Amino acid sequence: AQSVTQLDSQVPVFEEAPVELRCNYSSSVSVYLFWYVQYPNQGLQLLLKYLSGSTLVKGINGFEAEFNKSQTSFHLRKPSVHISDTAEYFCAVSDPNFGNEKLTFGTGTRLTIIP
Amino acid sequence: DTGVSQNPRHKITKRGQNVTFRCDPISEHNRLYWYRQTLGQGPEFLTYFQNEAQLEKSRLLSDRFSAERPKGSFSTLEIQRTEQGDSAMYLCASISGSTHNEQFFGPGTRLTVL
Repeated sequence: AQSVTQLDSQVPVFEEAPVELRCNYSSSVSVYLFWYVQYPNQGLQLLLKYLSGSTLVKGINGFEAEFNKSQTSFHLRKPSVHISDTAEYFCAVSDPNFGNEKLTFGTGTRLTIIP
Repeated sequence: DTGVSQNPRHKITKRGQNVTFRCDPISEHNRLYWYRQTLGQGPEFLTYFQNEAQLEKSRLLSDRFSAERPKGSFSTLEIQRTEQGDSAMYLCASISGSTHNEQFFGPGTRLTVL
């Protein structure tokens, strides 16, 4: 079975400061990894994904993440945050060898940008 | 707007009543997922359709829950004899093309059971 741990439930960051949101996963098989963002009263939007290849993945809105297989981590980073980045961020995994793409999500990290 | 739509956006009901939610996926998407998200938690997988066939159901989907996708287009999720524990956001996502493409999520239906 797969599981995802997001260690920080809330992260406050000053505007224009860098941020890292942590994600660790547990799986006995290879995984695909995703970061989604959820703005208030909206559905989830894909920020970026890792399927294979380069372990450094760049996504939308200036976010990037690095897949680290030895540490089973997929941390999300942004060098300079903006007020508009205030949202809930979810890390998720899926099994590439399974018959469908169902996602297993972490509990989320609420990112609050302080002006 | 050609995104995934869900109706209603909000539903308040009394315990014991039946409710039905609708999801309209992006038109060419053949795969459709339902997830449930409770407060402070990430979404949890409920069920999955490929075209009109329901191919997987989570253990979370008790006998009071039923989902359909007639003709492989829109999907409905019905909850019978609602309980307070059913209060949650119900999210629908659709996907097409190669496996593990992006899942496009709808805005969700927030259910409150009084």
